[in-house]
Amino acid sequence: SQQGEEDPQALSIQEGENATMNCSYKTSINNLQWYRQNSGRGLVHLILIRSNEREKHSGRLRVTLDTSKKSSSLLITASRAADTASYFCATDSGGYQKVTFGTGTKLQVIP
Amino acid sequence: NAGVTQTPKFQVLKTGQSMTLQCAQDMNHEYMSWYRQDPGMGLRLIHYSVGAGITDQGEVPNGYNVSRSTTEDFPLRLLSAAPSQTSVYFCASSARGGQGYEQYFGPGTRLTVT
Repeated sequence: SQQGEEDPQALSIQEGENATMNCSYKTSINNLQWYRQNSGRGLVHLILIRSNEREKHSGRLRVTLDTSKKSSSLLITASRAADTASYFCATDSGGYQKVTFGTGTKLQVIP
Repeated sequence: NAGVTQTPKFQVLKTGQSMTLQCAQDMNHEYMSWYRQDPGMGLRLIHYSVGAGITDQGEVPNGYNVSRSTTEDFPLRLLSAAPSQTSVYFCASSARGGQGYEQYFGPGTRLTVT
């Protein structure tokens, strides 16, 4: 069963704008990861945030984690057409077999 | 490094046929998994392995078998294909330890069962 649920399901923005997508989950976690999937390709790991961290940055990506609300957000700043992809959160609730993926947010960046 | 490779990229089967999806990784990762991806359902874990000779069931194991005789290879066998197994299948691997289970994915196999 899905642990994480992304919101919105789809997002369309202009190039240069910021994109924010959210992930909510149900049980306590050890860490949360975000992945990107380009059309017809496998998932690529973007960033991992541990349960005792509140914010993490990597290039144009900023991830926040609020364990009290069981939610995370991924912010992509100054978006580019190449950021067009689906984005998935994955939660680790204890062990390799307990990493579960959400249903994804489909981002379209219009040039 | 090639990373995680999967073959074939596309496959069409008739109901009742069997086949094996191949997966290999050259990163010496202990952990490997098979997922299926269906529209609106994210990725669901079929089977996983935490090392050569050790496999276990995930969320949706029915109709699939796996084995792991080497660290590198983790084939997925469909025993008797059904239309409900039409999906995109991804193999992934991960190293033991570190901060978490960062997974490396293969390019996927798109399977259609008619």
